[in-house]
Amino acid sequence: KNQVEQSPQSLIILEGKNCTLQCNYTVSPFSNLRWYKQDTGRGPVSLTIMTFSENTKSNGRYTATLDADTKQSSLHITASQLSDSASYICVVSGNTGNQFYFGTGTSLTVIP
Amino acid sequence: DSGVTQTPKHLITATGQRVTLRCSPRSGDLSVYWYQQSLDQGLQFLIHYYNGEERAKGNILERFSAQQFPDLHSELNLSSLELGDSALYFCASSVDTSRGNTIYFGEGSWLTVV
Repeated sequence: KNQVEQSPQSLIILEGKNCTLQCNYTVSPFSNLRWYKQDTGRGPVSLTIMTFSENTKSNGRYTATLDADTKQSSLHITASQLSDSASYICVVSGNTGNQFYFGTGTSLTVIP
Repeated sequence: DSGVTQTPKHLITATGQRVTLRCSPRSGDLSVYWYQQSLDQGLQFLIHYYNGEERAKGNILERFSAQQFPDLHSELNLSSLELGDSALYFCASSVDTSRGNTIYFGEGSWLTVV
């Protein structure tokens, strides 16, 4: 069964600290993996997209890694800011890239 | 602003009714995707259209249908509504169907079934 699991479910960190979010998947065949940031009640915003051959991609203070062998990805946030408080969702595409499997997200709260 | 426009933003309707949600993709985007986000199931992929043709189906109920028109806007039709259909429905678009394309989400349509 194609599944995407994220951990932790929620996380609270102090402003300025780093954190790492995890995503494990069983989707096969694999097409690509995306990380999204979603503010409450808003549409998700794309952070990174990685295909099979890519093992790291950065977008500002966000760095995603992908290990296609172990089917794991992580999203590292450096020097966190209050505005980073949001839900972070891992999405894996299977088959031709047109089937999407969503993780349930990690809720991140950054406190002063 | 992602450039994807969804209407209505909020909708309250009764069980058994039918509603239509509308989406205008970003200018130049040929692919439109529909997603459902509920509190208990998170985000789920419903359906994907590319240039007017259905490309992929996810967990879309038979009571739901969608279409993409020649001007590339899309509509999601929800019929025989049930309380469990209450959710936030997102439309998203991308340039084409390539694997690496960024998918841009609209702000969603909040549907409440009472």
